[in-house]
Amino acid sequence: NAGVMQNPRHLVRRRGQEARLRCSPMKGHSHVYWYRQLPEEGLKFMVYLQKENIIDESGMPKERFSAEFPKEGPSILRIQQVVRGDSAAYFCASSPPSIGSNTEAFFGQGTRLTVV
Amino acid sequence: QQPVQSPQAVILREGEDAVINCSSSKALYSVHWYRQKHGEAPVFLMILLKGGEQKGHEKISASFNEKKQQSSLYLTASQLSYSGTYFCGTGAGNQFYFGTGTSLTVIP
Repeated sequence: NAGVMQNPRHLVRRRGQEARLRCSPMKGHSHVYWYRQLPEEGLKFMVYLQKENIIDESGMPKERFSAEFPKEGPSILRIQQVVRGDSAAYFCASSPPSIGSNTEAFFGQGTRLTVV
Repeated sequence: QQPVQSPQAVILREGEDAVINCSSSKALYSVHWYRQKHGEAPVFLMILLKGGEQKGHEKISASFNEKKQQSSLYLTASQLSYSGTYFCGTGAGNQFYFGTGTSLTVIP
């Protein structure tokens, strides 16, 4: 059972381009969380999704950022018209439906986005 | 929604103790603790469920007080390998959020 897979691991974009980050949750996990981590800082919550449904997007910037978790395929975090301030590590975590029980959420290795 | 951790950062000498706190504004069902080494993904340490539970993992233990909606992570006789950023994760119903993080540095 593969862990949470994020790709690409490293992504370089020029200002104004689009960045698309992918997260494939662990098998059987229907919940996905996206976090952004700036250098030397903590994890900042962005969005929490279930398949075909956004549960909480209170941490997402109002513009340029969007996320989806379709019925089939990975969860996608999309950043349009990237700016230098978007440079960060973006982590995805997944969990089974009943996170309150004796289970844990698993993190992917992250995608390090660099905007030049 | 995101739980708040304190302190934000702490520096210890090898052998010293530390406490990291995690507080939530919502009623909690469970608390998870993770440690992240520089450049790596966070790794699960332990989970505490409702009921004033305490757990231990080597010399790292934790408590969970659901009435106060908070958890504490205790690191005793710290080792160099304990350095990293510690995150709590809190579960409430079907929702789960990771905390702001505490950077822990252990020096010789």
